Amino acid sequence: DAKTTQPTSMDCAEGRAANLPCNHSTISGNEYVYWYRQIHSQGPQYIIHGLKNNETNEMASLIITEDRKSSTLILPHATLRDTAVYYCIVRGLAGYGGATNKLIFGTGTLLAVQP
Amino acid sequence: GAVVSQHPSWVICKSGTSVKIECRSLDFQATTMFWYRQFPKQSLMLMATSNEGSKATYEQGVEKDKFLINHASLTLSTLTVTSAHPEDSSFYICSARVIAGWSYEQYFGPGTRLTVT
Repeated sequence: DAKTTQPTSMDCAEGRAANLPCNHSTISGNEYVYWYRQIHSQGPQYIIHGLKNNETNEMASLIITEDRKSSTLILPHATLRDTAVYYCIVRGLAGYGGATNKLIFGTGTLLAVQP
Repeated sequence: GAVVSQHPSWVICKSGTSVKIECRSLDFQATTMFWYRQFPKQSLMLMATSNEGSKATYEQGVEKDKFLINHASLTLSTLTVTSAHPEDSSFYICSARVIAGWSYEQYFGPGTRLTVT
């Protein structure tokens, strides 16, 4: 079972920041938070991941709360092409065996960017 | 990011026949590859994990004799759906993973849409 909780859907105006929340209250110290997205009828695309510090790359920023029980993915300037299902996934550190090492997808958040 | 390809992108086959789907990591070597299946309006479901040169590990409820996985090299994994039936019609997605420090980098192929008539 997925260890994260995300809203089913969200809307965002084009050009505005999209803030996608994720709860992972049972995350353990050896688990990362990963974000992927899936545009309709395509394979998932990696966005970003983090352990406890905030992370930023060319696609997005990841803000992780100090207690690590929740995080927010921020798309700074959403475009129509960002319309997709966004998945927040908790996954164990490399080298740790078992199910926690696999990417197990939950239901994700359908982000609809409106013109 | 790294590129994973799948072939074919779509396939239609008759009930009872077998279909092979190829997954390749184009610019990196993947020690581990994964196969997922996705039905319409549902999330991805992990089917199996394969490591180069060893037998695949299947998730609970996935028939290993029906979904044959071969991981012959660090850049190629194949999934063969044997004796396909209409209920096997789905979107099959492969994924390749490498270790990067303490975390993983995992990339997905574009998917293969299988329709069994």
